[in-house]
Amino acid sequence: RKEVEQDPGPFNVPEGATVAFNCTYSNSASQSFFWYRQDCRKEPKLLMSVYSSGNEDGRFTAQLNRASQYISLLIRDSKLSDSATYLCVVNNRNQFYFGTGTSLTVIP
Amino acid sequence: EAQVTQNPRYLITVTGKKLTVTCSQNMNHEYMSWYRQDPGLGLRQIYYSMNVEVTDKGDVPEGYKVSRKEKRNFPLILESPSPNQTSLYFCASSFRGSSYNEQFFGPGTRLTVL
Repeated sequence: RKEVEQDPGPFNVPEGATVAFNCTYSNSASQSFFWYRQDCRKEPKLLMSVYSSGNEDGRFTAQLNRASQYISLLIRDSKLSDSATYLCVVNNRNQFYFGTGTSLTVIP
Repeated sequence: EAQVTQNPRYLITVTGKKLTVTCSQNMNHEYMSWYRQDPGLGLRQIYYSMNVEVTDKGDVPEGYKVSRKEKRNFPLILESPSPNQTSLYFCASSFRGSSYNEQFFGPGTRLTVL
């Protein structure tokens, strides 16, 4: 079983839409959680960390459900510049596990 | 400018010819790591290092070696490359591994082994 699983998409949404990505992880001992963004095979960049209490950064909201081993990312008011692949990342004992990524295209 | 650099950016080589991909960071990070990215498989961790002279295997270490003689450098060595090591490789660094510290990635090295 994969450590981290994501729906690969693609998600094609119009500008201004709200879109949600989900991710599950298999190891209940996992310690920290992140969403990274990757543009067209460039290097991944941190979008936001995901805390147990949930956290928000502008149009982006991340939530963690440890009981269900589930992480989510909500993007409100989608912009064309949000088009990218979103990677769910889980850390356990100094090792990082990446999901395969969810592709988002925001359409004008 | 704070950054992670990798060299070379592109490399085409032949089976069995030893190669080294260099990685260097100027942020005084303790933690450094190598990943490979393949279609449908995502990024997978090859090796990581918590500090100088401390290295550990990630998920896919077979066929690779690393060393951490200095804090800033973390080279990836392929002693005898094979075609199944054709991939996009990323080096990354952060202050520590097991916490909410951001990993900074290098620009990637696209390796083709013929």
